[in-house]
Amino acid sequence: EPEVTQTPSHQVTQMGQEVILHCVPISNHLYFYWYRQILGQKVEFLVSFYNNEISEKSEIFDDQFSVERPDGSNFTLKIRSTKLEDSAMYFCASTSQGVNTEAFFGQGTRLTVV
Amino acid sequence: GENVEQHPSTLSVQEGDSAVIKCTYSDSASNYFPWYKQELGKRPQLIIDIRSNVGEKKDQRIAVTLNKTAKHFSLHITETQPEDSAVYFCAASPMEYGNKLVFGAGTILRVKS
Repeated sequence: EPEVTQTPSHQVTQMGQEVILHCVPISNHLYFYWYRQILGQKVEFLVSFYNNEISEKSEIFDDQFSVERPDGSNFTLKIRSTKLEDSAMYFCASTSQGVNTEAFFGQGTRLTVV
Repeated sequence: GENVEQHPSTLSVQEGDSAVIKCTYSDSASNYFPWYKQELGKRPQLIIDIRSNVGEKKDQRIAVTLNKTAKHFSLHITETQPEDSAVYFCAASPMEYGNKLVFGAGTILRVKS
């Protein structure tokens, strides 16, 4: 069964450093998402991406965040200057259609900012 | 924007009993309502979903009901088993381009054997 894959599984970084989280969505999917989950809390939407541009972003997704699809398979989330409060599990997801369809989640990257 | 409330936050049931988790949503334009199961340290996995043109959907021991008028939907698990123990999240998808999901706060389900 096709899967969304994310790397690395765990990233430890110092406050103020830049991090890039990597995702390979399911190959025939066209819509891509990043969500985050702070430990013990609910999953929160960060950003959706379609046709090489951001479709929607949440209040969390400020100027420190950016997304990119650098080639035909990868989808990345960059945090320019990490803060302690960025520590969370980051999930990438993809869907085949734009509405009313199952979102497939990757296994997540646990980001720890120290 | 859309807001999803979920309760209870924790639910303990005896093996073989039924479990019911309820969610309400605020945006009447939302029309897709998935339920995800998340085991500790793992990715959320879809267990069942329902679209607004349907009132009820069942898949073996799992069923979901939707009341669009009241803006609430519920997950029903019958004959619970220890492996059903996990965190369950409901979500709603607002009728906007991009299919983002707005999640509830989650329910920790413990099935005691």
